[in-house]
Amino acid sequence: GAVVSQHPSRVICKSGTSVKIECRSLDFQATTMFWYRQFPKQSLMLMATSNEGSKATYEQGVEKDKFLINHASLTLSTLTVTSAHPEDSSFYICSAFTLTLNLSDEQFFGPGTRLTVL
Amino acid sequence: TQLLEQSPQFLSIQEGENLTVYCNSSSVFSSLQWYRQEPGEGPVLLVTVVTGGEVKKLKRLTFQFGDARKDSSLHITAAQPGDTGLYLCAGFGSRTYKYIFGTGTRLKVLA
Repeated sequence: GAVVSQHPSRVICKSGTSVKIECRSLDFQATTMFWYRQFPKQSLMLMATSNEGSKATYEQGVEKDKFLINHASLTLSTLTVTSAHPEDSSFYICSAFTLTLNLSDEQFFGPGTRLTVL
Repeated sequence: TQLLEQSPQFLSIQEGENLTVYCNSSSVFSSLQWYRQEPGEGPVLLVTVVTGGEVKKLKRLTFQFGDARKDSSLHITAAQPGDTGLYLCAGFGSRTYKYIFGTGTRLKVLA
């Protein structure tokens, strides 16, 4: 159980185009999903917290108009990188948050999306 | 701003050696997770610790949560090449309701 998928796994696009990344919780409902960004050989950096049915909460320094997040259902959140530029090239990872049966909080990660902007 | 510092940043050891990775913060977390990540993949959860002083074992891996819930350690006994990867700790703040990741420890175990 607790499987999270991301699509696409890899995308290459031209500078100026927009790219949409989907994050789905396959076998559980997630009221909260987190979006992270990871540069090579670095740790994960939280970009935003996405709550179903409400606006995402962005971390300081993350442009909300550039990284559009939509969490339309309990199993799907999308991240759209608008007008992508080469500096947006990175590994984007989502996670779905849930309370486990023993009431400890856990997040389950998707496999990530490698974005390369030419 | 909550920060989680991991040490060491890099570690290269021979198969069979023991090692300890530390995760330290000045902030209190309601829970702390340890993950291992392979290149090009998402992090995989190893353990969640919740109670101060808690110790959990997962085969050759031993995890400890500090009494004050500000720090944690991961000890690997008799490391294997399959243990190679990026180890990440992540603290969950009950007030902020989000996870903060540690700076990461890159482990390489040589056969």
